[in-house]
Amino acid sequence: EAQVTQNPRYLITVTGKKLTVTCSQNMNHEYMSWYRQDPGLGLRQIYYSMNVEVTDKGDVPEGYKVSRKEKRNFPLILESPSPNQTSLYFCASGPGGGRTEAFFGQGTRLTVV
Amino acid sequence: DAKTTQPTSMDCAEGRAANLPCNHSTISGNEYVYWYRQIHSQGPQYIIHGLKNNETNEMASLIITEDRKSSTLILPHATLRDTAVYYCIVRSYSSNTGKLIFGQGTTLQVKP
Repeated sequence: EAQVTQNPRYLITVTGKKLTVTCSQNMNHEYMSWYRQDPGLGLRQIYYSMNVEVTDKGDVPEGYKVSRKEKRNFPLILESPSPNQTSLYFCASGPGGGRTEAFFGQGTRLTVV
Repeated sequence: DAKTTQPTSMDCAEGRAANLPCNHSTISGNEYVYWYRQIHSQGPQYIIHGLKNNETNEMASLIITEDRKSSTLILPHATLRDTAVYYCIVRSYSSNTGKLIFGQGTTLQVKP
């Protein structure tokens, strides 16, 4: 089954404690992206990757890092999480080449206290 | 990417067609209209997209006006499971960022 898998689904952590949210897709997609969703602000793009070793900032990249060492994986790293990063996070993948029939993961609800 | 305008909310009776409008008066020639939906904080789900011709798939139909300034997503026989926030997105097929700009969308409530 074609899918984008995020882990964990839920996470409560403390300020400053480094964490990684994993994202994996099984569709051999070139394009992957991370979004965060906050009430009243909608979904906003954090980082995206057009292919292996190619990443770039989205609209709200501050406080986040990503890497794309393999085509299937695109982890989101919070080196020093802060309470304003409490949010619902989604990973997405797509065929690339401009096509954006994107597939989204089920989301990771992160709470930073 | 062109901005879209959608009604905040709509109701639809179960079994009836749900017609969700979207205005995109500043759309340019190389921009497509995409529709996604999000069911209760799940990941957004792709529904359909089109350029200027009407499109239909197993989920929905997309009607785009001749001047391309507006479109309508049609769910032919809405069910309770179609209750969701529906997003109309306009973007270039050749966008370098692949970014989808999600507005506030239309909350569709399907009622028994």
